[in-house]
Amino acid sequence: GIQVEQSPPDLILQEGANSTLRCNFSDSVNNLQWFHQNPWGQLINLFYIPSGTKQNGRLSATTVATERYSLLYISSSQTTDSGVYFCAVPLQGAQKLVFGQGTRLTINP
Amino acid sequence: GAVVSQHPSWVICKSGTSVKIECRSLDFQATTMFWYRQFPKQSLMLMATSNEGSKATYEQGVEKDKFLINHASLTLSTLTVTSAHPEDSSFYICSARDPGVPNNEQFFGPGTRLTVL
Repeated sequence: GIQVEQSPPDLILQEGANSTLRCNFSDSVNNLQWFHQNPWGQLINLFYIPSGTKQNGRLSATTVATERYSLLYISSSQTTDSGVYFCAVPLQGAQKLVFGQGTRLTINP
Repeated sequence: GAVVSQHPSWVICKSGTSVKIECRSLDFQATTMFWYRQFPKQSLMLMATSNEGSKATYEQGVEKDKFLINHASLTLSTLTVTSAHPEDSSFYICSARDPGVPNNEQFFGPGTRLTVL
């Protein structure tokens, strides 16, 4: 099945810093989602981005489907950005999602 | 976006008892829902696909007799952990896709934390 790899696994930054999280996938996909899992476990939808670039406030994402990767950019980090960021792609021909191992982001004040 | 709820948000039970977790789509009808399990500091692992009006499809290695799934209506799927043991302690999360939205974006419930003593 499809493999999803995220990097880095852990990232510790000071408030105000910028960061780039990467998601590589082993096969072609027709959609990709980025999520933020908050400290209470809730998965918050950040982006549905099968290709191209999207921006939402301080966050933006770019997926280059032909090269099988996606990037999540966080600018001017805030402590509330802390948590685990997951990317997920569907199994070929199915709706079910395969998740990467996540990037644990810690923003210190 | 679409809203998915879960109940309860946390539950503590004794070993050997059964626990039922509900997953509801609040503002849309979902013919398909998904159940995931997440152990501490790990990623989400798909357990099963819940299909309204038919049997669930389980992932390899997931015991269908232990994790009973019922999808009796278009807005409700339930996961029952039967004869729970401490190793079943985990965070259980459901998701669904709104078929009225022209993409395959999935939305997740807030999760249920199960602790088996």
